[in-house]
Amino acid sequence: DAGVTQSPTHLIKTRGQHVTLRCSPISGHKSVSWYQQVLGQGPQFIFQYYEKEERGRGNFPDRFSARQFPNYSSELNVNALLLGDSALYLCASSYGTGGYNEQFFGPGTRLTVL
Amino acid sequence: AQKVTQAQTEISVVEKEDVTLDCVYETRDTTYYLFWYKQPPSGELVFLIRRNSFDEQNEISGRYSWNFQKSTSSFNFTITASQVVDSAVYFCALSGSTQGGSEKLVFGKGTKLTVNP
Repeated sequence: DAGVTQSPTHLIKTRGQHVTLRCSPISGHKSVSWYQQVLGQGPQFIFQYYEKEERGRGNFPDRFSARQFPNYSSELNVNALLLGDSALYLCASSYGTGGYNEQFFGPGTRLTVL
Repeated sequence: AQKVTQAQTEISVVEKEDVTLDCVYETRDTTYYLFWYKQPPSGELVFLIRRNSFDEQNEISGRYSWNFQKSTSSFNFTITASQVVDSAVYFCALSGSTQGGSEKLVFGKGTKLTVNP
């Protein structure tokens, strides 16, 4: 079975630009979460969507937004990129929601902002 | 607020040594869940274990074992007879029951384990 997939793998943008990252969950999983991992740190929670509804939001500015589609795939959008947005963006999927589910992570998208 | 502390930033051992990775957590939830993830150089987080707050039984899986102690808010991870393939960054994470039903995981900063041949 295919795991969580993310695209693109790597991305280079300049300050002020906009970026869209994509995630496809494991088949049958209805929950998608997004995390930002800055070099040398643990992942930080950005968003969670379950059945196309936002279920959780981390402490990130409004420049960050996300959505989930009817097929449960998801997009993370970041506007007005800053140098500090350079990080590995991880997507995780799980079957349900509630904090106890095992989350399966994708390989991530490495974003570099110049 | 929830918090996970992994005090060991880096650990280096020689193959076949036993190594313990420490994890201390803070939460006000009475029901919560603890996780360990492994992150190899490829970057993908690999799930290792989940433990419920109401289940303090220790667990062993092959060379891996976990010691959960609510009295000290710790969830430590031991690798017995370490191997080079165990080299990775290991993260301890916490989720709680008062998150509005969300799957939010709070991660520690990770411990980089290097196993030398």
